[in-house]
Amino acid sequence: QLVLTQSPSASASLGASVKLTCTLSSGHSNYGIAWHQQRPEMGPRYLMKLNSDGSHTKGDGVPHRFSGSSSGAERYLTISSLQSDDEADYYCQTWAAGTWVFGGGTKLTVL
Amino acid sequence: QVQLVESGGGVVQPGESLRLSCTASGFAFSDYGMNWVRQAPGKGLEWVAFIRNDGSNKYYTDSVQGRFTVSRDNSKKTLYLQMNSLRVEDTSIYYCAKDGLGPLYWGRGTLVTV
Repeated sequence: QLVLTQSPSASASLGASVKLTCTLSSGHSNYGIAWHQQRPEMGPRYLMKLNSDGSHTKGDGVPHRFSGSSSGAERYLTISSLQSDDEADYYCQTWAAGTWVFGGGTKLTVL
Repeated sequence: QVQLVESGGGVVQPGESLRLSCTASGFAFSDYGMNWVRQAPGKGLEWVAFIRNDGSNKYYTDSVQGRFTVSRDNSKKTLYLQMNSLRVEDTSIYYCAKDGLGPLYWGRGTLVTV
């Protein structure tokens, strides 16, 4: 069964960098994913699609500070030069036989 | 620019029905599959349903199978979600989302309270 695992929370200081992780379940290490950001009291926003080889395609207006990378079954979202409005929930999502599968989300706190 | 605007949410009693709409603009709606995703209060995102660009295939999460029906009218660039036999646990913000090649897009959501 395809499962995406994310840490429930992460924190980093203003101006620093943070790397969020999404882990694909066993047997699915070749799957691509998408990253979505959800700021408080707002709808989700598509950030990027991320392939197993680390190549990624960002959404409209997504800053260069956001980048993606991959290693094995892990998919990463790195945010550099953290700003206060990066404080949000971050969800990874993938595709399986016509359905979408979401990770549980990581709540990022900017200190 | 791409816009997705949901409507039709509201407050209903358990067992009642509701139809949500999602009106699209800024892209070739008939070329893309579309999804409904929901988010219960304080919870994460939950995929609900998908429909192919031509309506030929539809998929549902188990908890709504047999109660919800996704459909689309490509001439009106509109996606629908017919929700019957609503339950308290269906209370959520419902978002439509564009799928397929290229960037994904989300609407702002419509609140359904059961």
